[in-house]
Amino acid sequence: AQKITQTQPGMFVQEKEAVTLDCTYDTSDQSYGLFWYKQPSSGEMIFLIYQGSYDEQNATEGRYSLNFQKARKSANLVISASQLGDSAMYFCAMRALRVTGRRALTFGSGTRLQVQP
Amino acid sequence: GAVVSQHPSWVICKSGTSVKIECRSLDFQATTMFWYRQFPKQSLMLMATSNEGSKATYEQGVEKDKFLINHASLTLSTLTVTSAHPEDSSFYICSARIPGQPQHFGDGTRLSIL
Repeated sequence: AQKITQTQPGMFVQEKEAVTLDCTYDTSDQSYGLFWYKQPSSGEMIFLIYQGSYDEQNATEGRYSLNFQKARKSANLVISASQLGDSAMYFCAMRALRVTGRRALTFGSGTRLQVQP
Repeated sequence: GAVVSQHPSWVICKSGTSVKIECRSLDFQATTMFWYRQFPKQSLMLMATSNEGSKATYEQGVEKDKFLINHASLTLSTLTVTSAHPEDSSFYICSARIPGQPQHFGDGTRLSIL
């Protein structure tokens, strides 16, 4: 079974500052993928960044980076230079790789980020 | 642009009616689509996996007769909430996966049962 834990229900950050959203996971799968999605109040799910369990380097996508620590089973999202438009819910998710029949994502409970001017 | 289209985006209807939600993959074929439900201020919970040409796979606790899933073509999956009641009010969102890419989500459907 897979489990994602996001311990921060809500976070505040000042505009232009960096913020780290925590995510820890548990899985018995040897090969897995970790994802971060952003969900604004309108509801759509916006893909931000992906990290494969076999990737040695941390993933980066523009202002987003993923601090992947495999031994600690953590995959924290770092947002640099926060913008007002970053205010949203953020979900960490995972999926087993190379396993047929289990391709759906398992989501954490989410963190609501509010960027303050 | 969007790769998954979900319709309608908002439904309000009376208790006892059935509601159909469509999820379409645009410009690609999706043999598998996923349906999630999200209650306010909660996470997305997988309801079922929709398989083209075969029966859907439902998660534990999800009533098959209540939430009918049809995946009759490679670009369309539908979720029908039968005899909907207020407790079925929720945000329903579908997703599809292009091999080698992360899952793409529709924009979701807000269902309100009066």
